[in-house]
Amino acid sequence: AQKVTQAQTEISVVEKEDVTLDCVYETRDTTYYLFWYKQPPSGELVFLIRRNSFDEQNEISGRYSWNFQKSTSSFNFTITASQVVDSAVYFCALGNQAGTALIFGKGTTLSVSS
Amino acid sequence: EAQVTQNPRYLITVTGKKLTVTCSQNMNHEYMSWYRQDPGLGLRQIYYSMNVEVTDKGDVPEGYKVSRKEKRNFPLILESPSPNQTSLYFCASSFVDRTYEQYFGPGTRLTVT
Repeated sequence: AQKVTQAQTEISVVEKEDVTLDCVYETRDTTYYLFWYKQPPSGELVFLIRRNSFDEQNEISGRYSWNFQKSTSSFNFTITASQVVDSAVYFCALGNQAGTALIFGKGTTLSVSS
Repeated sequence: EAQVTQNPRYLITVTGKKLTVTCSQNMNHEYMSWYRQDPGLGLRQIYYSMNVEVTDKGDVPEGYKVSRKEKRNFPLILESPSPNQTSLYFCASSFVDRTYEQYFGPGTRLTVT
């Protein structure tokens, strides 16, 4: 069975703190994709990053960075120097090899206060 | 502009009154899918379609119907809505060989009283 676990339901930080959102996945597929989406209070889903199972390189985009480790089946997301605008629900998702579905985690609500 | 549109964006209805949420994309995508989002549960797939006239159940299809008569449209039909179908619904589309690049619609917030 395929599964995505985001163990942190809610995280509260103060501006400028660094914060890491955890994501652990389960799959038997040899080829798969991992994603992070942001859902701000307005409700739309904003695509942040996609990684395929053959690319374990970590990625940095501005204040955002992602750490993909196949050995621990984890795809963690770090926001450096958090800002109030980072307040949102963040979803980690797994794309199956058949390409028929994205399996989402339950989401982590991040609140950044000033 | 490439986009997935959903209508209506907000809907309040009563139990048992049939409704349709439309989803349309202008990117000539073969693959389309419906998800529902509930607090604490994330997004769960309802139905998906790999092409015209080809649809299949996702994880939570009970109480929903879909049809795919045209490539661009993938309506979600609730024949007899119930309060447990109150949710935020998302439509998504992609090329069938690139489902790792899904485009999501803006969401439809449905309340069934």
